Amino acid sequence: GESVGLHLPTLSVQEGDNSIINCAYSNSASDYFIWYKQESGKGPQFIIDIRSNMDKRQGQRVTVLLNKTVKHLSLQIAATQPGDSAVYFCAEGRSARQLTFGSGTQLTVLP
Amino acid sequence: DAGVTQSPTHLIKTRGQQVTLRCSPKSGHDTVSWYQQALGQGPQFIFQYYEEEERQRGNFPDRFSGHQFPNYSSELNVNALLLGDSALYLCASSGGQGGRELFFGEGSRLTVL
Repeated sequence: GESVGLHLPTLSVQEGDNSIINCAYSNSASDYFIWYKQESGKGPQFIIDIRSNMDKRQGQRVTVLLNKTVKHLSLQIAATQPGDSAVYFCAEGRSARQLTFGSGTQLTVLP
Repeated sequence: DAGVTQSPTHLIKTRGQQVTLRCSPKSGHDTVSWYQQALGQGPQFIFQYYEEEERQRGNFPDRFSGHQFPNYSSELNVNALLLGDSALYLCASSGGQGGRELFFGEGSRLTVL
């Protein structure tokens, strides 16, 4: 079946370093990919999205890369801060109406 | 501007009971989606409501049903609760000028004993 998975369940980085969170997807029909951040006790928060006709998109301190050839998605966070500590989910779908989420990566920022 | 609000925040039920969860979408949004998030897992899509009708549905049994009201708020109903229904139930809204972005509420934590 279709699934979205993450390469690593946990990631620890030093404050100020760059973080890279990876995600693999299997549904080649997906047109829409999103990264969400979820802090403890809160709902997922939209970070950045990208359509399948793009391979890179930048936001504030974040960059999403899409490699359709190997069905791989990554989230890069520049100058990681303590407030970035959270679980990060990638999600994919043919539209934003019905998303399939991965199981998440716990990012821990070390002082 | 209030975001997506859900109630109750926490509740405990026993097996076989029924539960109703409520959601008010973000101002200006007309589409509501419901997701189930088991502990340590990503959210799973249950269904989506638009114009008071269920438009899309994920792989959930008929025990899971919903409703959308004219003011765009929504309810999620789960009948004949099972232990495995214990999860965080998330409501997300979209639409209006927000386009395709989903805004999630804080969720309702359901525990089934």
